[in-house]
Amino acid sequence: GQQLNQSPQSMFIQEGEDVSMNCTSSSIFNTWLWYKQDPGEGPVLLIALYKAGELTSNGRLTAQFGITRKDSFLNISASIPSDVGIYFCAGRYSGAGSYQLTFGKGTKLSVIP
Amino acid sequence: DTEVTQTPKHLVMGMTNKKSLKCEQHMGHRAMYWYKQKAKKPPELMFVYSYEKLSINESVPSRFSPECPNSSLLNLHLHALQPEDSALYLCASSQLPTSGQETQYFGPGTRLLVL
Repeated sequence: GQQLNQSPQSMFIQEGEDVSMNCTSSSIFNTWLWYKQDPGEGPVLLIALYKAGELTSNGRLTAQFGITRKDSFLNISASIPSDVGIYFCAGRYSGAGSYQLTFGKGTKLSVIP
Repeated sequence: DTEVTQTPKHLVMGMTNKKSLKCEQHMGHRAMYWYKQKAKKPPELMFVYSYEKLSINESVPSRFSPECPNSSLLNLHLHALQPEDSALYLCASSQLPTSGQETQYFGPGTRLLVL
């Protein structure tokens, strides 16, 4: 099956710093999604990427769909305390009628005020 | 509107109880999903419904019984659960994969505790 490696597993940063996390796969994906999840809540969609090479921003967030279709990164600029949470990447691979998303194991972000 | 709603938010049940989780979306999505998520782990897919028909069952025990009464509603019926079934149960919906816009939107989840 598909395997997604998400790194780093966790990170502690100072408020105001920029953050970068990424996901890599051994196989091609044709959709990459980035979610943020707060404790006890469902994942909230941050950015959706549908084309290789696509670079998309959402406020202080920027994500890119790698040109090889096997990786994606998420950057957060000028972090603030409410950025704390677990960030998951998720990918969907090609396949007729394929519905499954493969999730990374998550990056736990802590922001020190 | 990208909202998926789930009820109840919290549920405590005994191993002999029967309960149901409910999920609703009004985005016109024809694919709906149930996931199970344990603490500090990513969501694990349980079931997929496409056009109100069960299309994927990820080898889930029969004590979990999904139902899709119409295109907006998805239920998960629970019976004779085990303590290890305690988890956050997430519902999601999306357009169908053939649309090229397979973004899955998640509900807030139901936190289930089985005693």
